[in-house]
Amino acid sequence: EAQVTQNPRYLITVTGKKLTVTCSQNMNHEYMSWYRQDPGLGLRQIYYSMNVEVTDKGDVPEGYKVSRKEKRNFPLILESPSPNQTSLYFCASSFLAGALTDTQYFGPGTRLTVL
Amino acid sequence: KNQVEQSPQSLIILEGKNCTLQCNYTVSPFSNLRWYKQDTGRGPVSLTIMTFSENTKSNGRYTATLDADTKQSSLHITASQLSDSASYICVVSSSYNTDKLIFGTGTRLQVFP
Repeated sequence: EAQVTQNPRYLITVTGKKLTVTCSQNMNHEYMSWYRQDPGLGLRQIYYSMNVEVTDKGDVPEGYKVSRKEKRNFPLILESPSPNQTSLYFCASSFLAGALTDTQYFGPGTRLTVL
Repeated sequence: KNQVEQSPQSLIILEGKNCTLQCNYTVSPFSNLRWYKQDTGRGPVSLTIMTFSENTKSNGRYTATLDADTKQSSLHITASQLSDSASYICVVSSSYNTDKLIFGTGTRLQVFP
């Protein structure tokens, strides 16, 4: 089954404790992206990757890191989480980002709480 | 600045009724527009994708329209069902930078029996 998986689905942590949220897709997609979603603000892009070893900042990259060492995986790293990073995070993938008729597939989401 | 605005922010309707959600954008040059459905706590799922040459596209009871001249789109839901309760997100892509998707904040639809 074609899908995007994220782990963990729920995470409660404390300020400053490094964490990683994993994202994996099995569709051989070139493009992967991370978003955060907050009430009233909609989805905001954190980082995206056009291919292996190619990453770029989205609209809200501060406080986050990513890596793309393999095509299928795109982990999101919070080196020193802060309470303002409490949010619902989504990973997504597609063959190309905004290409005509290309559909972006989203993962199930990771709800992160930073105390 | 490229922006996507949706209205209304929230909407309550009775089961079986029709409704229309609006999306206005300032993205230029325009490439394509998508509508997503997002159930509470889950990832968005694509409903339709339209390019500038398409005026309308349907997916079951969902029909999206696009007016590229006025930079407006609408999503019409026919004979609503309880399962239509969700947020509907309008997303626009610019042909200048197809790497970037510009998201609206969504319309929260609640369908009551």
